[in-house]
Amino acid sequence: KQEVTQIPAALSVPEGENLVLNCSFTDSAIYNLQWFRQDPGKGLTSLLLIQSSQREQTSGRLNASLDKSSGRSTLYIAASQPGDSATYLCAVSPYYSGNTPLVFGKGTRLSVIA
Amino acid sequence: NAGVMQNPRHLVRRRGQEARLRCSPMKGHSHVYWYRQLPEEGLKFMVYLQKENIIDESGMPKERFSAEFPKEGPSILRIQQVVRGDSAAYFCASSPPKGGSFRDTEAFFGQGTRLTVV
Repeated sequence: KQEVTQIPAALSVPEGENLVLNCSFTDSAIYNLQWFRQDPGKGLTSLLLIQSSQREQTSGRLNASLDKSSGRSTLYIAASQPGDSATYLCAVSPYYSGNTPLVFGKGTRLSVIA
Repeated sequence: NAGVMQNPRHLVRRRGQEARLRCSPMKGHSHVYWYRQLPEEGLKFMVYLQKENIIDESGMPKERFSAEFPKEGPSILRIQQVVRGDSAAYFCASSPPKGGSFRDTEAFFGQGTRLTVV
């Protein structure tokens, strides 16, 4: 059974810092991995989607890497801003089919202090 | 292209009543997923549907819960005889038909329906 773990559960940093959020999964047979952002009381916004054959994806100040064999992904946020404060969720899709339910971690709650 | 639309955003029901949650997927999307998020918990998969078909309902409780995605209209998640433990945020996600690109597997989420059972 696939399990996804995110460390740390919460993180508080001063504005301007570069930071790394970690995600690990127990079954390396995944089709893709997706990072989301969730603001309090809101829905999920897709940030980055990485196919299993890819090593990383970038969007603006965000960079996500994937090491499928070791079951790990990291989300790197450069020059953090107070507007980055949110919960960041990692989710994986099983290998056997692309259109399958996602398995989520519990998230990392990020606070960026001005 | 409007995103995934869920309504209502907030729903209050008394114990024993029925809750009906609606989800309209993004235009062109034929796959719909329902997830539940309990306080301090991650999102848990409930059910996966395509038009007129339930593909996977392994995450949905056998009693009181049902889901449908008719040929016309939104997907409906129905909870009968609600109990306090059903209080949670319910999210719907959609993705396009499986094509030749892995991007076809990207899931887009709605704003959720927050159900409170009193």
